[in-house]
Amino acid sequence: DARVTQTPRHKVTEMGQEVTMRCQPILGHNTVFWYRQTMMQGLELLAYFRNRAPLDDSGMPKDRFSAEMPDATLATLKIQPSEPRDSAVYFCASGPGQHSGNTIYFGEGSWLTVV
Amino acid sequence: KQEVTQIPAALSVPEGENLVLNCSFTDSAIYNLQWFRQDPGKGLTSLLLIQSSQREQTSGRLNASLDKSSGRSTLYIAASQPGDSATYLCAVNSGYSTLTFGKGTMLLVSP
Repeated sequence: DARVTQTPRHKVTEMGQEVTMRCQPILGHNTVFWYRQTMMQGLELLAYFRNRAPLDDSGMPKDRFSAEMPDATLATLKIQPSEPRDSAVYFCASGPGQHSGNTIYFGEGSWLTVV
Repeated sequence: KQEVTQIPAALSVPEGENLVLNCSFTDSAIYNLQWFRQDPGKGLTSLLLIQSSQREQTSGRLNASLDKSSGRSTLYIAASQPGDSATYLCAVNSGYSTLTFGKGTMLLVSP
C-alpha cells in the first residue's frame, strides 16, 4: 500500500557532522512537507514544496539547514554542521495538493541524536 | 500566527469509559481541522478530517466536532479500549495544507 518512506530511521552522529535525511513521497503526490518534533516544541513545520518548488522554508534555520527536491520521488533535508539542539524526530509528509482540503500522509520519521 | 492548544496534556482512564479531548485554535480562518493519532516511535495517522464548512465527522467509535467561530474542536472516543492508548494530535490547516499542530494529549486506557 502507498506510504511515505523515510531514511534513515535512526541516526546518532557527533556534533559538527553533516546529516542528510531522505524522503520518498507517495507516488503522484505533488506536495511535500518536512516537520520536526521535539518534546518542548511539539511538531513544527520546517519547509514544504509543491511540484518540487520550495514554497516556504521560513521555519528552518537557514544557516545550517537546507531542503531540496532533486526529483519528484526524492526530498532531502540536510543539516551541516549538526548541533545537539538538532536532536529530534524529523517527519516527512506528502499530499495530493490539488486543494487545501486534502489530508496529508506522514512517514515514520527519522530519529536524530546529535551528541 | 495560528496557535493550537490541547487540553488535557495527559489522560488516564479505565477501559470502557467515554472520553473527550479538547482542541482550541486562535485564528478561525481555517480550511479544515484534523485529528491524528501517534503511537510511540511511529508516525502520525490521520483519524478524522473536518472541513471548515462541516460541524462533525464520525468514524467508528470516534466523533470529532468543529465550532469554527469559537475556535474549538473536540474528539469524542466512545467505549475506550486499551488499544486506544496513544497520543492524539489536533492540527489546523490554515492554507496550502500546511498544518499547525497542538502538542497533543497522551491517552492511557488501562484494562
